[in-house]
Amino acid sequence: NAGVTQTPKFQVLKTGQSMTLQCAQDMNHNSMYWYRQDPGMGLRLIYYSASEGTTDKGEVPNGYNVSRLNKREFSLRLESAAPSQTSVYFCASISGGNQPQHFGDGTRLSIL
Amino acid sequence: GQQLNQSPQSMFIQEGEDVSMNCTSSSIFNTWLWYKQDPGEGPVLLIALYKAGELTSNGRLTAQFGITRKDSFLNISASIPSDVGIYFCAGQSSGTYKYIFGTGTRLKVLA
Repeated sequence: NAGVTQTPKFQVLKTGQSMTLQCAQDMNHNSMYWYRQDPGMGLRLIYYSASEGTTDKGEVPNGYNVSRLNKREFSLRLESAAPSQTSVYFCASISGGNQPQHFGDGTRLSIL
Repeated sequence: GQQLNQSPQSMFIQEGEDVSMNCTSSSIFNTWLWYKQDPGEGPVLLIALYKAGELTSNGRLTAQFGITRKDSFLNISASIPSDVGIYFCAGQSSGTYKYIFGTGTRLKVLA
């Protein structure tokens, strides 16, 4: 039961480097999400994809881009990493509508 | 960005005690979710609520969907050491695919 798989689990980047975080789900879910989690704060939505072929901005999209590669995969790209993007990134998916989100185990990203 | 008000922010309790936490919103929600997050892991769903007034249990956990649809409550009875973690609420409005998350309640249990 893989569920939602995120790679890599850890990454250290230098300011200005680019990076793509990968997310894949094997539950045939329609909607996928990218969040960031910072100390003392809840999960803040970066981008989401309601269905294959669509993407929309969340609360904090600046500095990020996403690609819904197919129904299974939703990637998050940092084109030019900044220290303010140091965070834990979570991917989630739902089958649709008001169904609960299933989360991956996160990618811990540090930008020096 | 919009977030839910979740309280308390943190709490220390003795093993065996009951725990209560809540979430409030300025917006009406059609769905409330409660998650638990252990260190180094992603949030795991505890309880999902879909109707105002709904009361749902999952073992020692009980959650309620507030009548006003602007709040939700989570109770843990007879806490044990493995209840340690961060508890998040999340709400969803009608017609949206987005969930809004609370800032979390950090629970620490003293044996």
